[in-house]
Amino acid sequence: TQLLEQSPQFLSIQEGENLTVYCNSSSVFSSLQWYRQEPGEGPVLLVTVVTGGEVKKLKRLTFQFGDARKDSSLHITAAQTGDTGLYLCAGATQAGKSTFGDGTTLTVKP
Amino acid sequence: DADVTQTPRNRITKTGKRIMLECSQTKGHDRMYWYRQDPGLGLRLIYYSFDVKDINKGEISDGYSVSRQAQAKFSLSLESAIPNQTALYFCATSDLGTGFQETQYFGPGTRLLVL
Repeated sequence: TQLLEQSPQFLSIQEGENLTVYCNSSSVFSSLQWYRQEPGEGPVLLVTVVTGGEVKKLKRLTFQFGDARKDSSLHITAAQTGDTGLYLCAGATQAGKSTFGDGTTLTVKP
Repeated sequence: DADVTQTPRNRITKTGKRIMLECSQTKGHDRMYWYRQDPGLGLRLIYYSFDVKDINKGEISDGYSVSRQAQAKFSLSLESAIPNQTALYFCATSDLGTGFQETQYFGPGTRLLVL
């Protein structure tokens, strides 16, 4: 079983602060996805990273895939209340199946 | 219209009852999944299907069964519901892209309460 560990599990910050959440594994993944889930809804894909060391930016969100393709981070600059939600990472293997982490619950207070 | 739909959206049932949760997709994807999510936790895979004739158990399949009636439909059954099956259930679809970049598309979820 390939496990993905996300940290921290819970994070509560003030609007305008920066934050980083992590997704770590001992396994190598062919790609890694980050999803965001808002209360009462299903997860929605934010980004897919494929190449070791790859960095992708989505407005105030910066995603990085580790050089060894075993870990990833999500950095949010100047968080807004609309960033509140559950952030999930998922690693895909060459067998074609994804494994999800347990998620980081982010609360951004006004 | 939503690409992945789930019915019902909410369901209350009693211990021992048989219930079915349904999922339909219009994305034309071969792969479909059922997950459950418990408060404060991520997603745990119940069953998955890579095509109409393929059914596979996930990490928590005990107490559940599935049926892939067509490419677009994948239903989840609880043969005899028990209270610890109270959870939020998600259906998802995917199509394995190039380079094994699998993106999953989720339905809105079914909130199940077993009394």
